[in-house]
Amino acid sequence: AQKVTQAQTEISVVEKEDVTLDCVYETRDTTYYLFWYKQPPSGELVFLIRRNSFDEQNEISGRYSWNFQKSTSSFNFTITASQVVDSAVYFCALINAGGTSYGKLTFGQGTILTVHP
Amino acid sequence: DADVTQTPRNRITKTGKRIMLECSQTKGHDRMYWYRQDPGLGLRLIYYSFDVKDINKGEISDGYSVSRQAQAKFSLSLESAIPNQTALYFCATSDPVVSGELFFGEGSRLTVL
Repeated sequence: AQKVTQAQTEISVVEKEDVTLDCVYETRDTTYYLFWYKQPPSGELVFLIRRNSFDEQNEISGRYSWNFQKSTSSFNFTITASQVVDSAVYFCALINAGGTSYGKLTFGQGTILTVHP
Repeated sequence: DADVTQTPRNRITKTGKRIMLECSQTKGHDRMYWYRQDPGLGLRLIYYSFDVKDINKGEISDGYSVSRQAQAKFSLSLESAIPNQTALYFCATSDPVVSGELFFGEGSRLTVL
């Protein structure tokens, strides 16, 4: 079985603050992919990043960065200098690359981020 | 036009009514999925299909059925809707060759009174 846990249900920050969204996962497979999706108030799901289990390099994309640590089964997401437009629900997700759960994306519960002006 | 299209986008219905949510895609993917989103629970998998002849139950399939009419079409039905099926429903597709990334439709908001 696989599981994704996002410990923070809601986070509230003031614009320009840095914020980190935590994600911890469980899986028995050695090959898997981790994702972050953003869901703005309009409701659609926006793909942010995919990371495979063999690539532990951290990644930075503009104000976004991701820290993947297999040793702690974590894939945390940091927004630097947050902006009001970052306000959304953020989901961490896991998909196994093999076995009976192949092809099924498992989501965390989501973290509601509110950035105040 | 969106690659994954869901209809209707919003629907209000009454308990006991039959409801169908439709999904069509132009990405040419064999794999299609239906997810349900509830506040605080993330997205949960209802049904998935890896090709036209392959239909599988997800973690919360009770009360739902699906039909894969063609590679491009995957419909979700609620035979007799109940209020706790009020949720946001997402259809998704994936290409297994491309590392499992799912492409989502814009969602269908269903309210059962």
